[in-house]
Amino acid sequence: GAVVSQHPSRVICKSGTSVKIECRSLDFQATTMFWYRQFPKQSLMLMATSNEGSKATYEQGVEKDKFLINHASLTLSTLTVTSAHPEDSSFYICSARASDSDGYTFGSGTRLTVV
Amino acid sequence: GENVEQHPSTLSVQEGDSAVIKCTYSDSASNYFPWYKQELGKGPQLIIDIRSNVGEKKDQRIAVTLNKTAKHFSLHITETQPEDSAVYFCAASKGGSYIPTFGRGTSLIVHP
Repeated sequence: GAVVSQHPSRVICKSGTSVKIECRSLDFQATTMFWYRQFPKQSLMLMATSNEGSKATYEQGVEKDKFLINHASLTLSTLTVTSAHPEDSSFYICSARASDSDGYTFGSGTRLTVV
Repeated sequence: GENVEQHPSTLSVQEGDSAVIKCTYSDSASNYFPWYKQELGKGPQLIIDIRSNVGEKKDQRIAVTLNKTAKHFSLHITETQPEDSAVYFCAASKGGSYIPTFGRGTSLIVHP
């Protein structure tokens, strides 16, 4: 089945620094990947849709200059949290869909802690 | 847009009992309904899905039912085990490239 790999699983960074999270589709090509943010005991909040070879589409209220998304190939999307602050601490999850499927496969998530 | 309501938010059962989680959706054009299981600290994993041309689907101890007329679908877990404890999310989408809308999740706790 479709496998999505996400790294790192956990990261702790200092305020003001930037953190990059990678999302790879291992056995399929994904023209579109999605980035979600999840607060404790809450549902998945879609942040942006990452499109291969073009700019990402951000949901309302998500700062595109803070959450930089790059989808340089059909198997890799990255989310960079720039100038991180403690309020950016959260669980970030990516997902992707194989073109011949309706189902979305999620990565294992990244726990970001900004100190 | 689509709106998905999920109930209950928390469900506590004894090992061996059955568990039922219910979701309703608003967009009659939705035709794909996946269920995800999310264990603590991990990403959601697809456990079962159903399409609008089917009323019920089973996979061992889990089953999903869909009532298109009433616009609701349910997840049924029989003979629950402690390892079934997790957060379960339902979702609805129009399939293909349409982004699914997720419910708010149900925290299932199975007591040994």
